[in-house]
Amino acid sequence: SYELTQPPSVSVSPGQTASITCSGDKLGDKHACWYQQKPGQSPVLVIYQDTKRPSGIPERFSGSNSGNTATLTISGTQAMDEADYYCQAWDSRTVVFGGGTKLTVL
Amino acid sequence: QVQLQESGPGLVKPSQTLSLTCTVSGGSISSSGYYWSWIRQHPGKGLEWIGYIYYSGSTYYNPSLKSRLTISVDTSKNQFSLKLSSVTAADTAVYYCARADCSGGGCHSDYWGQGTLVLVSS
Repeated sequence: SYELTQPPSVSVSPGQTASITCSGDKLGDKHACWYQQKPGQSPVLVIYQDTKRPSGIPERFSGSNSGNTATLTISGTQAMDEADYYCQAWDSRTVVFGGGTKLTVL
Repeated sequence: QVQLQESGPGLVKPSQTLSLTCTVSGGSISSSGYYWSWIRQHPGKGLEWIGYIYYSGSTYYNPSLKSRLTISVDTSKNQFSLKLSSVTAADTAVYYCARADCSGGGCHSDYWGQGTLVLVSS
């Protein structure tokens, strides 16, 4: 079965750039998306089809996907961005989630 | 604005069947290009895709749950449902329903329910 691998945790200082990676075999050939989840809340889609931002998602969120790695980048990270982030891909008509990355803003 | 709301028992006994329903409002469950998903999250853990259904009734399941799983749709009520049989404590989780947009390449879930905690315990 297809697997996506994320680092368990990433730390960033306020105002700096955070990068969260997601690795999977030939992931660049699939479409990746990213969700943000804050404690006690449902996940929120922040990036879809590798690079697109849904309406209402700040411009500081961006995505890329090439080779075996998709990356979520948060520019000018704010305290409110502290959350768990999950990547997701679609393979053989099944949905696969990465294990999640806890982003700490300190 | 599409909204989804899960409903069902919060407590299920081991070996019984977990049943949940998701009611969709603000949009039609019969809209082309959208799949209707169930996703769960064990306490303190990551997201696990359970499966999804198209309004026509076509289903796609997580292979690890397939033998115990049934997802169905009722277009007249704008609802879809989950049944998971022979549950154990390992099925204790928050269960989310979501809309998956599969119209433009890949699938991404753009609308989610608030989630419902299901505890499997005697």
